[in-house]
Amino acid sequence: GDSVTQMEGPVTLSEEAFLTINCTYTATGYPSLFWYVQYPGEGLQLLLKATKADDKGSNKGFEATYRKETTSFHLEKGSVQVSDSAVYFCALRGLSGNTPLVFGKGTRLSVIA
Amino acid sequence: NAGVTQTPKFRILKIGQSMTLQCAQDMNHNYMYWYRQDPGMGLKLIYYSVGAGITDKGEVPNGYNVSRSTTEDFPLRLELAAPSQTSVYFCASSRGTGVGNEQFFGPGTRLTVL
Repeated sequence: GDSVTQMEGPVTLSEEAFLTINCTYTATGYPSLFWYVQYPGEGLQLLLKATKADDKGSNKGFEATYRKETTSFHLEKGSVQVSDSAVYFCALRGLSGNTPLVFGKGTRLSVIA
Repeated sequence: NAGVTQTPKFRILKIGQSMTLQCAQDMNHNYMYWYRQDPGMGLKLIYYSVGAGITDKGEVPNGYNVSRSTTEDFPLRLELAAPSQTSVYFCASSRGTGVGNEQFFGPGTRLTVL
C-alpha cells in the first residue's frame, strides 16, 4: 500500500540556518503530496502541497518540489526562525476512490536563537 | 467560520469507562475523519465518513465506533476504554478527495486512560 517515510528527528538548528527535511513516498501513479505543520498544542495545518510531477509548493518561505523520478518531496527553507519550531508531517493522497491521507511519522524541528 | 471544533480538550478515563469525543465542522464538508496520534508514530486513521449516514473503517478501528447523522457532526465513541487508547485524537474534514483537496484539522483531544 501507499506509504510515506520521513527523516527521523528531532532536528535542532540555529536561527537563520538552512533547513531540509527529507520525505520519500511509495505509491502507484501520481499521488498528491502535502506538508502539514503542527505547532505546540495545536492541530495540523496545511503548509504546502503539490499535485503533479515537478510542481513546487511554497508557503511562508518553505518550498518542496514533487520529484517523480526519486519519489521525493523534501521540505526546504533557506533561513529558519524560532517561530518555525514545530512538528512537520509529509503526507500523500493516492488516486483511487475515497483515499484518505497517509502520513509520515513527523519530524520535530527546534530552532534556537 | 469556526472551522473544525473538538471537545473536550483533555480527558482522563479509568479503564472500562466510556466516552464520546465530539467533532463538528461548519464548512459544509462532506468528508470527515478521525485520527489518533501516538508519540513518534505520526497519525493513524481510525474511521472516516464520506457523507451523512456513511462511515468506513480506517487503519485502526478496533475499540471505537462512529456515527454521522448530520453533515456537521462526527462523534467518536469509546465503549470500554483501555490504556492502549491513551493518545491525542484529531478530527479533520475536507470538501472531497479530489486532486489537491486539503484536510482541515481540529485542535485535538488529549485522552489518558488509567
